[in-house]
Amino acid sequence: SQQGEEDPQALSIQEGENATMNCSYKTSINNLQWYRQNSGRGLVHLILIRSNEREKHSGRLRVTLDTSKKSSSLLITASRAADTASYFCATDRMRDAGGTSYGKLTFGQGTILTVHP
Amino acid sequence: DGGITQSPKYLFRKEGQNVTLSCEQNLNHDAMYWYRQDPGQGLRLIYYSQIVNDFQKGDIAEGYSVSREKKESFPLTVTSAQKNPTAFYLCASSFTPTGSNQPQHFGDGTRLSIL
Repeated sequence: SQQGEEDPQALSIQEGENATMNCSYKTSINNLQWYRQNSGRGLVHLILIRSNEREKHSGRLRVTLDTSKKSSSLLITASRAADTASYFCATDRMRDAGGTSYGKLTFGQGTILTVHP
Repeated sequence: DGGITQSPKYLFRKEGQNVTLSCEQNLNHDAMYWYRQDPGQGLRLIYYSQIVNDFQKGDIAEGYSVSREKKESFPLTVTSAQKNPTAFYLCASSFTPTGSNQPQHFGDGTRLSIL
């Protein structure tokens, strides 16, 4: 079963607006990652946030992580038409209390973002 | 340029035929992964390999097989036992198996269709 559930499934905004996507997960994690996928292409890594971090920034991207609520959000500020893509969260789940990883990522269903010029 | 190369970009399979998708990386990554993506869906893990000559089943391994004889290569065979193979297949690699806080790098995929 999918670990990550993303919300909304689709988001349509105008250029210059901010876009916020949310991801919820079910089990303890080592880290959570956000990826972007343009139509018909592979995924591109955007940001990795570790379980002991609460917020990370990269350019116009801001990611937050709330481990008590098992949720994360990706904010894209001042969006551009070129930001149009699908965005996925992926979790590196913790196998045990010692933090051992399963050695694989579990992806959510994704949010389709459309930015209109 | 370092990266992951998947070939072919498009592939057609006849009934009862096995087909092999190629994935090569020159990033010197230890771990490699194969995912399946259906329209409008997320990625589902088929097989993964953390080191040469070793691999593990993912969530949907039935009807697929892999080998990892070289660090750079992780080919995926879609066998005739996979009754619904039409999908977009993505290969990825990471410097170490996930858990060491490393991102995955993806190829541009192979789109497989049934003739």
